[in-house]
Parts: sequence; structure tokens; C-alpha cells
Amino acid sequence: KAGVTQTPRYLIKTRGQQVTLSCSPISGHRSVSWYQQTPGQGLQFLFEYFSETQRNKGNFPGRFSGRQFSNSRSEMNVSTLELGDSALYLCASSAAGQGAETQYFGPGTRLLVL
Amino acid sequence: GENVEQHPSTLSVQEGDSAVIKCTYSDSASNYFPWYKQELGKRPQLIIDIRSNVGEKKDQRIAVTLNKTAKHFSLHITETQPEDSAVYFCAAIGPGYALNFGKGTSLLVTP
Repeated sequence: KAGVTQTPRYLIKTRGQQVTLSCSPISGHRSVSWYQQTPGQGLQFLFEYFSETQRNKGNFPGRFSGRQFSNSRSEMNVSTLELGDSALYLCASSAAGQGAETQYFGPGTRLLVL
Repeated sequence: GENVEQHPSTLSVQEGDSAVIKCTYSDSASNYFPWYKQELGKRPQLIIDIRSNVGEKKDQRIAVTLNKTAKHFSLHITETQPEDSAVYFCAAIGPGYALNFGKGTSLLVTP
């Protein structure tokens, strides 16, 4: 099976702009989670989707949003970008979304906000 | 929410020695504890995981132990090799669906 894929791999934006990142899970996986990785804060949970429903959300401002489509592909959107949003954004998929199961990560999208 | 603390933040060992990384968690309802290895510029990869109904799990040179009473779990790597050099993350997941990660341990194995 193909692994988790993310597009684009790299993005450069300026403050105030918005950005949309995409994640395609492993075929058959129904749960997609998003994480932000920065040198100072490590890996932080953004939100999780299962069957097009957001089930859990991390402690991030409302500028961060996401959605999941019927084919399990997911997008996350960040509006009104700030310098501090520069990070590696990782998505991860799991099969049944039951919690105690392996999450497989994509390669990430590296976002730089100038 | 869940809080996961990881120590040490950096660890340097000689090839062939053992490496131990320790994590503690706060939510007693957490029931799944994976460990991920992330090499520079690459995605995190699961190396081993343990569920709360198990105290220890081994996979070749890697082992994980879990003490539910004390709410801590540890990663043990024996006979370390230079290719083990990477950042290792512990994580815990509870009744929700969010993996809460430790801040990571940068392991350097010197020949």
C-alpha cells in the first residue's frame, strides 16, 4: 500500500495570507490527525477527523481549521498567517480510528511564513 | 489533558552501549504508548508500542516497559549502532484520539 502523502511539501507565505494543506491517508484508513512540529514545542496535536467528523481538537486558535472528505482525504487551513505558524505540519492516518492503534505519518509540509 | 514528559533531551552513547529514554504521563486513562523515531528531514516512524494491559514488549534490540501505577514508560535500546542516531519521541493516547508527545530525545551513537 502507498503510504500517507502530503501536498505541497514546501510553502512560503507572507503574514496575513492563508494556506491550505492536503493529506491523503493510507488506502482504507478512516482517521486522519494533524500535528504541528516546531523545534521549541515539539509535536503538538491540532485535530483529528474520522468519517468527515472532527472528533478532537488541540489547543490552537480558531485560525486553524480542517475538514475531511468522503474519501478520507483531509485538508487543513490556516488563515491570517503569523510568523509563529512557521513549522512542519504532519498528518497521520490510522485504520479504524479507535485510539489505541498505530498512526502512520506523512512526510509533512514545511511552511515558512515571512 | 494529557501531559507527557520525556528525559533526557539529549543522550550520547558509544556504539555497542545501551540507551534508555524515560517518559511519564499524567492521565491514568491513557492506554496506548507508542515510540517514534525521526531521522533528520524524515517523517516520524513507529518503532515499538505498548498497550496498558502489557508490562513489557521486545523487538530485537528494542524494548519498552510500562509501569501503570507510577505512570511511566521507558524505551531501551541495546547494542546501539550509529544508525540508531535520531530523535526519539514517546507518546500517550487516552480515551480521545490525540497522540500527546514528549518533547523528544536526540540520541547520538558515536563509533
